[in-house]
Amino acid sequence: DGGITQSPKYLFRKEGQNVTLSCEQNLNHDAMYWYRQDPGQGLRLIYYSQIVNDFQKGDIAEGYSVSREKKESFPLTVTSAQKNPTAFYLCASSTTRGRTTYEQYFGPGTRLTVT
Amino acid sequence: LAKTTQPISMDSYEGQEVNITCSHNNIATNDYITWYQQFPSQGPRFIIQGYKTKVTNEVASLFIPADRKSSTLSLPRVSLSDTAVYYCLVGYNNNDMRFGAGTRLTVKP
Repeated sequence: DGGITQSPKYLFRKEGQNVTLSCEQNLNHDAMYWYRQDPGQGLRLIYYSQIVNDFQKGDIAEGYSVSREKKESFPLTVTSAQKNPTAFYLCASSTTRGRTTYEQYFGPGTRLTVT
Repeated sequence: LAKTTQPISMDSYEGQEVNITCSHNNIATNDYITWYQQFPSQGPRFIIQGYKTKVTNEVASLFIPADRKSSTLSLPRVSLSDTAVYYCLVGYNNNDMRFGAGTRLTVKP
């Protein structure tokens, strides 16, 4: 089955620790995205990548880092510098067909809790 | 600053038609409007996408006026299972794209 996967579904960490969230897609999509969602809130863009070895900051990139070494993978690291890391994290991917906004396919999300 | 605006919440009853409007004054000339549905603790799911006039698929219609400064998602004959949060996604200049804050639709029996 083609799709986008995120792991784990739930993640617990102690304050001060870095943590990496996994995102993998087998849809052959060029673009991948990371969003953060807080309770009762919309989606805020953290980072996005339109091609391997290239990525851009979104609206709330501070305290986060990403890499895009392979087309299929776009891991997100939540660093200790992120002041409020507890949130629901969503990864998405899309094709690039010359339009700015493309249909994005979302993963199931990872709920991160930091105490 | 580009902004995508939606109503915070809406209530409806089973069998009614629901219309949710999104405002996007500065949409990029060549960009599309996309709507998503999200259930609690799940990723958003694509509903429909359009550029102008009207688009219809098996689950919804999307109405976009000529000036493209807004768009309306229309859900015909909603059921209890349509209770969810609905988001519009719009692209602006300089590759900026914005989700609205979401409209929480509650369908009552």
